[in-house]
Amino acid sequence: QKEVEQDPGPLSVPEGAIVSLNCTYSNSAFQYFMWYRQYSRKGPELLMYTYSSGNKEDGRFTAQVDKSSKYISLFIRDSQPSDSATYLCARGGNFNKFYFGSGTKLNVKP
Amino acid sequence: GAGVSQSPSNKVTEKGKDVELRCDPISGHTALYWYRQSLGQGLEFLIYFQGNSAPDKSGLPSDRFSAERTGGSVSTLTIQRTQQEDSAVYLCASSLDPAGGPGTQYFGPGTRLLVL
Repeated sequence: QKEVEQDPGPLSVPEGAIVSLNCTYSNSAFQYFMWYRQYSRKGPELLMYTYSSGNKEDGRFTAQVDKSSKYISLFIRDSQPSDSATYLCARGGNFNKFYFGSGTKLNVKP
Repeated sequence: GAGVSQSPSNKVTEKGKDVELRCDPISGHTALYWYRQSLGQGLEFLIYFQGNSAPDKSGLPSDRFSAERTGGSVSTLTIQRTQQEDSAVYLCASSLDPAGGPGTQYFGPGTRLLVL
């Protein structure tokens, strides 16, 4: 079983839609999670991270962790074409190793 | 300021040849990480450096892979006797201090390696 499972998509939505991206994880030992955004032919950039259960909001982005179901989510409100990218979830391990999902490709249509 | 840089940006090589991939981390960043990203796959951890030492090499897929870091700065990932399955994007990231938490890893643009 992979450490982090993520639906690869692709996910296509109209501009302005609310987007929900999801991952599941298997190891409860480490409790920090991250979402990265990766544009084509670029390196990943950190969007958000959270250390605990519950919600964390940053502008149009909300990260949610449900420890009981080992489920992490990223919500994007009022999605824009510029949000079109691949979104990677990750779980922290020891500080020197992260475990990434395979990424969900998002396309926001104008 | 300058971000993480990697060179070359693209590399095409023949099976059996050796390749060297270079990473220049952000100045002052003590931790450096190498990852591999295959088509449709997530990032696969390869190796981590703290300063010039590599306390965690567990992700290196075979003894054909090696990495070094000198002067606490530039790192080189070497793949010997390349195989077609080595074709992937090799990403480097750096951070100020791994104990600083997950928010501090900054990625370079990657080197796209194609082994024919």
